[in-house]
Amino acid sequence: DIQLTQSPSSLSASVGDSVTITCRASQSIRRYLNWYQQKPGKAPKLLINDVSTLQSGVPSRFSGSGSGTDFTLTISSLQPEDFATYYCQQTYEAPPITFGQGTRLEIK
Amino acid sequence: ELQLVESGGGLVQPGGSLRLSCETSGFRFSDYWMSWVRQAPGRGLQWVANIKPDGSEHYYVDPVKGRFIVSRDNARNSLFLQMGSLTAEDTAVYFCAREKGDFWSGDDAFDIWGPGTLVAVSS
Repeated sequence: DIQLTQSPSSLSASVGDSVTITCRASQSIRRYLNWYQQKPGKAPKLLINDVSTLQSGVPSRFSGSGSGTDFTLTISSLQPEDFATYYCQQTYEAPPITFGQGTRLEIK
Repeated sequence: ELQLVESGGGLVQPGGSLRLSCETSGFRFSDYWMSWVRQAPGRGLQWVANIKPDGSEHYYVDPVKGRFIVSRDNARNSLFLQMGSLTAEDTAVYFCAREKGDFWSGDDAFDIWGPGTLVAVSS
């Protein structure tokens, strides 16, 4: 199974900051890497698929990059509604589809 | 409006069974792979199972193989998860999710999710 390791597991930042979350795969997953945002008590929301394709309605301050085994999610100019937990997901080699362990983004 | 709504969760004793349902609306259900994803309290997301649009193929994560069965009724736009031999490790919120792409191509993602239903396994 492909393991996805996110770093950091948590981070604190302020409104207006820019943050980057990393997702590393245990083997190449080409560009089949997705990012989700989850707020407490809610279902995850798809932000980005295929490394860098923003879903409709997702603000342009979210961006993704990478290929192979190393990927990043960057949020520029953090807004209050961005404080949440973020998960990466690979669908390249499945089953099983796997998720990273999550990165909790908190307000400093 | 695109919508998924899970039901059937609750408290069940270890070794017991439970059947979850996911009612869908707002899209052609029979065109899409569908998945179940779970989240144990305070933990991350774990994909559980999925099923092909016509129901002819289904796949599972190792911990649930032989205990869970995913099925669908395309006439009723509904997805199901029959869970058996439940243990405390199965305690989680269970989400159903629509797969927007093609599972076998690898180009896939979960674009619509239900709010989830809580399954608690305890004596």
